Amino acid sequence: NAGVTQTPKFQVLKTGQSMTLQCAQDMNHNSMYWYRQDPGMGLRLIYYSASEGTTDKGEVPNGYNVSRLNKREFSLRLESAAPSQTSVYFCASSEVGSNEKLFFGSGTQLSVL
Amino acid sequence: EDQVTQSPEALRLQEGESSSLNCSYTVSGLRGLFWYRQDPGKGPEFLFTLYSAGEEKEKERLKATLTKKESFLHITAPKPEDSATYLCAVQAFGGGFKTIFGAGTRLFVKA
Repeated sequence: NAGVTQTPKFQVLKTGQSMTLQCAQDMNHNSMYWYRQDPGMGLRLIYYSASEGTTDKGEVPNGYNVSRLNKREFSLRLESAAPSQTSVYFCASSEVGSNEKLFFGSGTQLSVL
Repeated sequence: EDQVTQSPEALRLQEGESSSLNCSYTVSGLRGLFWYRQDPGKGPEFLFTLYSAGEEKEKERLKATLTKKESFLHITAPKPEDSATYLCAVQAFGGGFKTIFGAGTRLFVKA
């Protein structure tokens, strides 16, 4: 059982380049999330999708867009990468959404030069 | 503003030396408090959920407790394999789907 799968694991971008982080879960969860993790700070929510067909902004959405492609897949797009977006990105999913534990992928380490 | 603060930032223990990690929280109304374990290069892994003051949960050498203002993760007779970062997180009533995480405590257990 794979759980939550993220690709790629590592990525280096130049300022201004774009890229999409992919995430898929095989647990039939309704809700999916994108977080970023920076040293000395807690995980911060970028965007989430409570259910298929819906997306909402989290705490730090600026510079990002998301797409809930279907129930399994939730992608995160950086249209014009900036050095401030250097971080580790985690995708997560949960059964119902609120008040439920999160299942995380293994992360994408992104560096923007 | 809802907030989670964890202390200490890092903790070094000898194998067998019991200790506790602290998580202080400020929320308008606590819906749930979560503990996760994160190993280097991996995503967080769920450990416990606590819902009300006085509640306790145990798993192997770990025990989580909850009061109205803080939670403790007690580690009894730790082993080197317990070395990891432990994250505390809260969900608040009215907070929708948002889980607020603390910065974590890095635990090092030396054999």
